[in-house]
Amino acid sequence: SQTIHQWPATLVQPVGSPLSLECTVEGTSNPNLYWYRQAAGRGLQLLFYSVGIGQISSEVPQNLSASRPQDRQFILSSKKLLLSDSGFYLCAWSMDRAYEQYFGPGTRLTVT
Amino acid sequence: AQSVTQLDSQVPVFEEAPVELRCNYSSSVSVYLFWYVQYPNQGLQLLLKYLSGSTLVKGINGFEAEFNKSQTSFHLRKPSVHISDTAEYFCAVSGNNFNKFYFGSGTKLNVKP
Repeated sequence: SQTIHQWPATLVQPVGSPLSLECTVEGTSNPNLYWYRQAAGRGLQLLFYSVGIGQISSEVPQNLSASRPQDRQFILSSKKLLLSDSGFYLCAWSMDRAYEQYFGPGTRLTVT
Repeated sequence: AQSVTQLDSQVPVFEEAPVELRCNYSSSVSVYLFWYVQYPNQGLQLLLKYLSGSTLVKGINGFEAEFNKSQTSFHLRKPSVHISDTAEYFCAVSGNNFNKFYFGSGTKLNVKP
């Protein structure tokens, strides 16, 4: 069966510090991968998605970037965090041209 | 472009009462519709999905939803809720571009004893 991991689970970082969040998927190959942000009291905002190694599509211009160095690894990064980057970050995967997405447990990021 | 509207941000209900969470979507193409549930500080779990066929879809935990193309709706229902159903529920739509999901803003279901 497939599983998706995210770490860390929680993170408190000062403004201006760098960020690296990691997501890995097990039990499947060549998945589509997604990063979402969920701000307090709001829905899910799609940040990035990837259909293959090195292929990243950005949905919203922002202070963040994403990379996919390996087939089942998806990384969300920032060089300098802003207060507005606080939120709950969710990674998800789906099979190519399949329908549902499966979500990881999330990372709670607080920028102070 | 596709979008999803969940008009009710919060729905309070007593235990064992029926509940309906509303979802409306806008799309100019064929759609695929989903409901997810999120418990506090957790990821999203798929409740049910509509891809094609019967417009009444049954999911996990006793939930069901009905696809209504003329009203562009996909409301979620449960005939009798439990305390454990307290969570936030998200409606989502995807279209011909299977890579992208569009989520509603969520409805918090609060089941009271």
